[in-house]
Amino acid sequence: AQSVTQPDIHITVSEGASLELRCNYSYGATPYLFWYVQSPGQGLQLLLKYFSGDTLVQGIKGFEAEFKRSQSSFNLRKPSVHWSDAAEYFCAVAPGTGRRALTFGSGTRLQVQP
Amino acid sequence: DAGVIQSPRHEVTEMGQEVTLRCKPISGHDYLFWYRQTMMRGLELLIYFNNNVPIDDSGMPEDRFSAKMPNASFSTLKIQPSEPRDSAVYFCASSRPGTRNTGELFFGEGSRLTVL
Repeated sequence: AQSVTQPDIHITVSEGASLELRCNYSYGATPYLFWYVQSPGQGLQLLLKYFSGDTLVQGIKGFEAEFKRSQSSFNLRKPSVHWSDAAEYFCAVAPGTGRRALTFGSGTRLQVQP
Repeated sequence: DAGVIQSPRHEVTEMGQEVTLRCKPISGHDYLFWYRQTMMRGLELLIYFNNNVPIDDSGMPEDRFSAKMPNASFSTLKIQPSEPRDSAVYFCASSRPGTRNTGELFFGEGSRLTVL
């Protein structure tokens, strides 16, 4: 079965600094990979997804993620963080075929300092 | 366009009572998912439907939990009897047909359940 690991539970960055959130997946083949964001008291919103092709994918709100097969990683990045980016971020995986449901990582809570 | 609508947003009940959570997916979406979120276990898939048919209910904790989707615009998640360990935020999500939409879930705002 597929799984996702987010090693950082909590990260604090200063506004304007760059950001990288880590995600490692476990799956036999190339899975579909996703990043979601959850603001307090809200549901999750899709930031970006990777199915195949170009390993650097762009998402909404200025986020991007890079798929690295050799490292089984799909890290999320943003060059300059804004205070409104403070939220919880979830990496997720779905098998390449068939099953539609996502398996989510445990999440990384991002705090942004002024 | 309206998003996924869940009700109630908050529910406080006593142990042993029946709880019913409701969800209206986005029109035209043919997949519906129920997830549960807790601090200890994170986001767990409970069950998902495709075209109103349950596809995978292996995440349903036990017989106290049941879910139905009588039509394309409505689903319920029922807990009977409820227990304090069921306290969590329950999310409903839906997604559009087509392989390229795999994993693109649209979430409701959740139903926060507290069982005393």
